[in-house]
Amino acid sequence: GENVEQHPSTLSVQEGDSAVIKCTYSDSASNYFPWYKQELGKGPQLIIDIRSNVGEKKDQRIAVTLNKTAKHFSLHITETQPEDSAVYFCAATDSGGYQKVTFGTGTKLQVIP
Amino acid sequence: ETGVTQTPRHLVMGMTNKKSLKCEQHLGHNAMYWYKQSAKKPLELMFVYSLEERVENNSVPSRFSPECPNSSHLFLHLHTLQPEDSALYLCASSHDQGQARSGYTFGSGTRLTVV
Repeated sequence: GENVEQHPSTLSVQEGDSAVIKCTYSDSASNYFPWYKQELGKGPQLIIDIRSNVGEKKDQRIAVTLNKTAKHFSLHITETQPEDSAVYFCAATDSGGYQKVTFGTGTKLQVIP
Repeated sequence: ETGVTQTPRHLVMGMTNKKSLKCEQHLGHNAMYWYKQSAKKPLELMFVYSLEERVENNSVPSRFSPECPNSSHLFLHLHTLQPEDSALYLCASSHDQGQARSGYTFGSGTRLTVV
């Protein structure tokens, strides 16, 4: 089955700096890669996603890149703000009929004002 | 408010109690899910319902019993739980089974403590 590894588990950055979170996956059949942000006391919220036919996607200060050959994808947050502090999860979804989803273990991002 | 509402937000129960978690969505989604979130572990899929039919049961102990009476409501009935079942239980929904169309919409979860 699919295995998703996520690094780092914790990340501290100064406000205004960039943050990068990386994930690798094992199943080459995976074709959809969402990223979720979970704030304290809330459920995960989808913030950006990318499909396997695209190499990069950007939404304001957030971007995601995908390298299908190397089977890794990354979340980039630029000009970080204190409200970016949260736990971020990556996930990989396979292309089978069931579309099984496998999540990473999460990265706790702290943005220091 | 994400459109997926879970109640209660917090629950403390003894090992011999019976309780139920409730999830409600009015997003017009056809699939609903129960996930378990424990510290330092990936999200664990427990149950999947698609068009009110259970399509996945991920080797979950029988002390957890799901119910999906219609496409908007999902329950998780709990009985004779163990302390290791203490966790955040998340409900999610999606347009179709799987999330390749637009991802999941999660509720805020029920923080369950078994004493």
